[in-house]
Amino acid sequence: DAGVTQSPTHLIKTRGQHVTLRCSPISGHKSVSWYQQVLGQGPQFIFQYYEKEERGRGNFPDRFSARQFPNYSSELNVNALLLGDSALYLCASSLVLVTDTQYFGPGTRLTVL
Amino acid sequence: RKEVEQDPGPFNVPEGATVAFNCTYSNSASQSFFWYRQDCRKEPKLLMSVYSSGNEDGRFTAQLNRASQYISLLIRDSKLSDSATYLCVVPGGTMDSNYQLIWGAGTKLIIKP
Repeated sequence: DAGVTQSPTHLIKTRGQHVTLRCSPISGHKSVSWYQQVLGQGPQFIFQYYEKEERGRGNFPDRFSARQFPNYSSELNVNALLLGDSALYLCASSLVLVTDTQYFGPGTRLTVL
Repeated sequence: RKEVEQDPGPFNVPEGATVAFNCTYSNSASQSFFWYRQDCRKEPKLLMSVYSSGNEDGRFTAQLNRASQYISLLIRDSKLSDSATYLCVVPGGTMDSNYQLIWGAGTKLIIKP
């Protein structure tokens, strides 16, 4: 069975640009969470979606938005990129609740120049 | 006080030794806890869940001290392959409001031959 997939794996953008990251959860999982991880830190929670609704939001500015589609895949959008947005963006899927085991994708490494 | 705190290490330990590290948390209402393992430039993977006083899985033992609000991870007979960063995860918010997982910054473990 396929695990969590994310695309693209690497991305280079310049300040002010917009980026869209994509995630496909494990088949049968209905919850997707997004995290930002900068070097030397643990993942920081950005969003959780369950059944296409936002169920949790971390302390990130409105430049960050996300959505979940009927097939449970998800997109994370970041507008007006800043240098500080450079990080590894992780997507995790879980069966239902965020406290169910989270299975992570390989991440998208975003570099903002 | 940070919501989840871990000693960043690194812990340099000879192969075969026993090593333990702690994680302190601030949300006294938390009921479940997790230890994840993250290899360099890889995604986190669940190592162990802790729902009551503790959990044991082979060489790994997690213990929960609710009174002092910390969880510990003990690794016995350490292997070279145990070298990784160990992330402590604690639920934040409430089930009705912005439920999310709060991640520690991780403890880096290096097992030396």
